[in-house]
Amino acid sequence: ILNVEQSPQSLHVQEGDSTNFTCSFPSSNFYALHWYRWETAKSPEALFVMTLNGDEKKKGRISATLNTKEGYSYLYIKGSQPEDSATYLCAFRLNNDMRFGAGTRLTVKP
Amino acid sequence: DTAVSQTPKYLVTQMGNDKSIKCEQNLGHDTMYWYKQDSKKFLKIMFSYNNKELIINETVPNRFSPKSPDKAHLNLHINSLELGDSAVYFCASSPNLGPLHFGNGTRLTVT
Repeated sequence: ILNVEQSPQSLHVQEGDSTNFTCSFPSSNFYALHWYRWETAKSPEALFVMTLNGDEKKKGRISATLNTKEGYSYLYIKGSQPEDSATYLCAFRLNNDMRFGAGTRLTVKP
Repeated sequence: DTAVSQTPKYLVTQMGNDKSIKCEQNLGHDTMYWYKQDSKKFLKIMFSYNNKELIINETVPNRFSPKSPDKAHLNLHINSLELGDSAVYFCASSPNLGPLHFGNGTRLTVT
């Protein structure tokens, strides 16, 4: 069973705050870890695909790190803006099987 | 052009009916998926197809049958609809092991 856990479930921050959240996944048989951003009334959109232990990826103010040996990934948002408000999903890939976590719902208050 | 399109966007039907949701992708991807978004907004995988071949078939009732006529299409047919089938269903595709591209979802309401 591929259990993907995300924490916290939800997060409220002020505009300008930096924040981070966690995804934990099975550390055996690792293939890839994905991060998605899901805005209300839209579809999830891919942020990062991470495959190597120690990977760090960055897109603007958002970055992610990966530790495959201990089975976790962090997503960081620097200087949060109201437009960052969304649910952030991580997903564990094993071949053609993609299992999603329940997501972290981020609300950024102006 | 829409990359992954699913139709209809909304589907309201009565218990016991049979319905289909269509999904098409024009990205040339080999793998397509169906996910169900449950009441807690959790995305749960139902099926995964690679080049028209079924790869993943989660513990989904037999009333749900995916059909892939070619690698650009993965349709979902549901027989004898039940109240508990009400949910948003998302189709997605990916290049073999790359990121998923999602359709806009189909909100199914069974009355």
